[in-house]
Amino acid sequence: KQEVTQIPAALSVPEGENLVLNCSFTDSAIYNLQWFRQDPGKGLTSLLLIQSSQREQTSGRLNASLDKSSGRSTLYIAASQPGDSATYLCAGGGGKLIFGQGTTLQVKP
Amino acid sequence: SAVISQKPSRDICQRGTSLTIQCQVDSQVTMMFWYRQQPGQSLTLIATANQGSEATYESGFVIDKFPISRPNLTFSTLTVSNMSPEDSSIYLCSVLGPFREKLFFGSGTQLSVL
Repeated sequence: KQEVTQIPAALSVPEGENLVLNCSFTDSAIYNLQWFRQDPGKGLTSLLLIQSSQREQTSGRLNASLDKSSGRSTLYIAASQPGDSATYLCAGGGGKLIFGQGTTLQVKP
Repeated sequence: SAVISQKPSRDICQRGTSLTIQCQVDSQVTMMFWYRQQPGQSLTLIATANQGSEATYESGFVIDKFPISRPNLTFSTLTVSNMSPEDSSIYLCSVLGPFREKLFFGSGTQLSVL
């Protein structure tokens, strides 16, 4: 059974800092890995999708990597801004997506 | 991408009543998914709604409590029946994008049961 874990649960950084969010999964037979952003009380916004045949994806200041052999994915945020403050969720699966608990990020001005 | 409209965005309901949440997609999709996010928790899949057939429920969720309709390829409803305070959560609908890879979500319904 696929389990997805995110570390850390919460993170507070000053504006401008580069940071890494971690996501680990137990079943390496993962079809794809998707990163989402969730603002308080809101739905989810898809950030990046990494397919099983890919190693990384980039969008603006965001870069996500996938290492199936180690069961890990990372989301790298460059030059963080206060507007990046949100909860970041990773989800992986082969059919149904299994979600991690999320990392709540606060970027202080 | 897929654009999903979900309503209501929030509601406060009394114990024992029912609430129906609507989800409208701007394109035809085969499968629609309903998730629940309890306070401080991650998302849990409730069921998968297929057009023309009964929804497929995940372990721990039953049709009597969470009846789902899927009358066509762009619309679905989830009803939370006989509500109790434990049902207070965010409920989200989602669909796979046109290439059936990326999952897109509606804006969610924040439900509070008194």
